[in-house]
Amino acid sequence: LAKTTQPISMDSYEGQEVNITCSHNNIATNDYITWYQQFPSQGPRFIIQGYKTKVTNEVASLFIPADRKSSTLSLPRVSLSDTAVYYCLVGDTNAGKSTFGDGTTLTVKP
Amino acid sequence: DTAVSQTPKYLVTQMGNDKSIKCEQNLGHDTMYWYKQDSKKFLKIMFSYNNKELIINETVPNRFSPKSPDKAHLNLHINSLELGDSAVYFCASSRGLAGDPTQYFGPGTRLTVL
Repeated sequence: LAKTTQPISMDSYEGQEVNITCSHNNIATNDYITWYQQFPSQGPRFIIQGYKTKVTNEVASLFIPADRKSSTLSLPRVSLSDTAVYYCLVGDTNAGKSTFGDGTTLTVKP
Repeated sequence: DTAVSQTPKYLVTQMGNDKSIKCEQNLGHDTMYWYKQDSKKFLKIMFSYNNKELIINETVPNRFSPKSPDKAHLNLHINSLELGDSAVYFCASSRGLAGDPTQYFGPGTRLTVL
């Protein structure tokens, strides 16, 4: 079971690019990497998912190196409303269990 | 329509009481989960059900008993509530098995035990 490690917190300013890295050294061959965003008083919300290389959607980009032992969530030009907790989750659709990281609290300042 | 719904949103009760939290998903998913999120924001899985069958039961006190009447519902009953049970409880669902990293979460139930 892949254990995930993330920084506890990060600070940024509006307009900057933010990169949050998750380590998952024991990732399995069939595991996908998924990132979630959680605002206060809400449930986690799916942001992006990838298996290898790079994935981009309207919200973020996800970079996964060839060895897949880590992944980096990239948020371009953050705004105050991006202040949230970001979790990475590693798992396989057909597996018995997936593992959430402990979450990174991102604070965007004006 | 809300994909994953939970009731109640807030629950305040006294130690020793028994309470239930209900969860429903209208996504047609086969797997449902209960997570506990403490004050430090750690998300810890408690239970997972696939097609009404228990798949995961983490080291959760047996005061916590999940019940799945059908695959769209997973309720959580808690007996003899303790102060340490105070937390936010999230229900979630996924199309695949319990390892599916694409999960849809409910809005959470904030439980406060006095």
